[in-house]
Amino acid sequence: DAGITQSPRYKITETGRQVTLMCHQTWSHSYMFWYRQDLGHGLRLIYYSAAADITDKGEVPDGYVVSRSKTENFPLTLESATRSQTSVYFCASASRQYGQYFGPGTRLTVT
Amino acid sequence: AQSVTQLGSHVSVSEGALVLLRCNYSSSVPPYLFWYVQYPNQGLQLLLKYTSAATLVKGINGFEAEFKKSETSFHLTKPSAHMSDAAEYFCAVSVDTGNQFYFGTGTSLTVIP
Repeated sequence: DAGITQSPRYKITETGRQVTLMCHQTWSHSYMFWYRQDLGHGLRLIYYSAAADITDKGEVPDGYVVSRSKTENFPLTLESATRSQTSVYFCASASRQYGQYFGPGTRLTVT
Repeated sequence: AQSVTQLGSHVSVSEGALVLLRCNYSSSVPPYLFWYVQYPNQGLQLLLKYTSAATLVKGINGFEAEFKKSETSFHLTKPSAHMSDAAEYFCAVSVDTGNQFYFGTGTSLTVIP
């Protein structure tokens, strides 16, 4: 199916563990984004990518790592999860004509 | 630099009443402006976008927004609220439709029967 998918949809992990959130899009959009959504903060940009092998920091990048070896995939890794990283994470890809398409989100809980 | 301010984190309207959600932006260049809607436990869905064509933009579900450069505003309206409109609404600004977006903190719309 065409679109943007995220996995897992729900994840519970312990403090200090490494977690990777996956994002896959089928449109071959150049730009991809990772946001976190927290009550009272709206959506905050973590990292974005303009193309394969090109990534850049957003507003809140600390504690996160991204890679983009293929255009369609944009995984987000929490190298050592902290409780403050409990959030809902959204991946998005963008086209000039339409704007940003969002995935369904991953709800991450760090205990 | 670009930024967005959404006035009112919570708005309540009666079913059938006018919906008005406020968005003001700042941008150093001509902006692209967007409204997104988020239903519970879902991702964001594009309602409408302004990309320097007509200043009055019509979107899905009967929503529209007007770009007012002099007021740096892009308020979202709907003439008659429906129960199904209850959701979180986000305004966003960008210098390019395919580029980095800056989101407001969102407005939660409650529709009272």
